[in-house]
Amino acid sequence: EDQVTQSPEALRLQEGESSSLNCSYTVSGLRGLFWYRQDPGKGPEFLFTLYSAGEEKEKERLKATLTKKESFLHITAPKPEDSATYLCAVKAGGFKTIFGAGTRLFVKA
Amino acid sequence: EPEVTQTPSHQVTQMGQEVILRCVPISNHLYFYWYRQILGQKVEFLVSFYNNEISEKSEIFDDQFSVERPDGSNFTLKIRSTKLEDSAMYFCASFQGQETQYFGPGTRLLVL
Repeated sequence: EDQVTQSPEALRLQEGESSSLNCSYTVSGLRGLFWYRQDPGKGPEFLFTLYSAGEEKEKERLKATLTKKESFLHITAPKPEDSATYLCAVKAGGFKTIFGAGTRLFVKA
Repeated sequence: EPEVTQTPSHQVTQMGQEVILRCVPISNHLYFYWYRQILGQKVEFLVSFYNNEISEKSEIFDDQFSVERPDGSNFTLKIRSTKLEDSAMYFCASFQGQETQYFGPGTRLLVL
């Protein structure tokens, strides 16, 4: 069965304290791995799409990487405005997208 | 920047009533999705729609749910007879040829 597991469930950082979020996945035939940011009461906001192992993408303080079994979202020198829930999702065969439960990130000034 | 819009933002209904949730996808997108997120839980896939028909649906998407693209711009989700457990945020998403989906802001449905 296709599965996505994110860790940790919650992460508390001081402003400027870099860290990484993990997304482990089990799917047959990965067609894409996605990272989204979700603020409370809002829809997921697209961050990155990764398609193959070894691929990396960056945007401001965020960098996403992909291996054959997991993806990392690295946050460099986070700011309080980076506080949100970060969602990982995968697309295998067909049209269905499977989401992980998310990592709630809190960045304190 | 183009965006997915959804109406209403909030809907309160009585158990057993029908509700229709509306979405306007990004104009040149061809693939449309509905997801739901029960408070504090994962985003769950409900249904995908392409070329005026359902392309895939989850086990959640039973006979009480239906989707429609009544004109060239709107995409709707109908819940025929709402249950308490249908209370959730419902998100519409769309994409073009690439896999990246763009989500709307959601409709918060509360069934009393």
